[in-house]
Amino acid sequence: GAVVSQHPSRVICKSGTSVKIECRSLDFQATTMFWYRQFPKQSLMLMATSNEGSKATYEQGVEKDKFLINHASLTLSTLTVTSAHPEDSSFYICSATPQGKVHTIYFGEGSWLTVV
Amino acid sequence: QKEVEQNSGPLSVPEGAIASLNCTYSDRGSQSFFWYRQYSGKSPELIMSIYSNGDKEDGRFTAQLNKASQYVSLLIRDSQPSDSATYLCAADMDTGRRALTFGSGTRLQVQP
Repeated sequence: GAVVSQHPSRVICKSGTSVKIECRSLDFQATTMFWYRQFPKQSLMLMATSNEGSKATYEQGVEKDKFLINHASLTLSTLTVTSAHPEDSSFYICSATPQGKVHTIYFGEGSWLTVV
Repeated sequence: QKEVEQNSGPLSVPEGAIASLNCTYSDRGSQSFFWYRQYSGKSPELIMSIYSNGDKEDGRFTAQLNKASQYVSLLIRDSQPSDSATYLCAADMDTGRRALTFGSGTRLQVQP
């Protein structure tokens, strides 16, 4: 079964509203999680690094005030898309690595966001 | 800019043939490389990881790494229609950070 769970798997929201996506490690702790975005027919692009207990670090071109990341515990990171617009519609995927297992990367099932 | 390059395909092979997927990367310091399979609308699933020069075999899959040429490949033997998917090559370009740089993916079509 999945070791990294994302919720919701699909969400539709109205333009201008905010939506929160959760990424949860089910049986391990992760001080760092990563958020990726994938537009149709394109590859995964790293958006940001979620750090437990500290601020997230964002990749170039990703607006930190639009994509709020909170990593309040060792098993949960949340991505909030604020004031969503249709161009934010995408597949959002998180990943996590168990502490002490540097060669293991688990991906969540992904969350489809559609902004109408 | 650190990049991973793949031919987008589609690569079409007949059932039972060997499919060969290729990838190059720009950062010579990269240490870890991964091949993922992604079905449409789904999250990528790991097929192979490779860290050392040479070949690594797992069932029908063989990954090959040549750090001098900055080249990674994946061979799929006895290809099956269920192997039809997009194959993503990824590199850990900030060693130890565990954030991956992905290629654009190669779409593989296995014809029955």
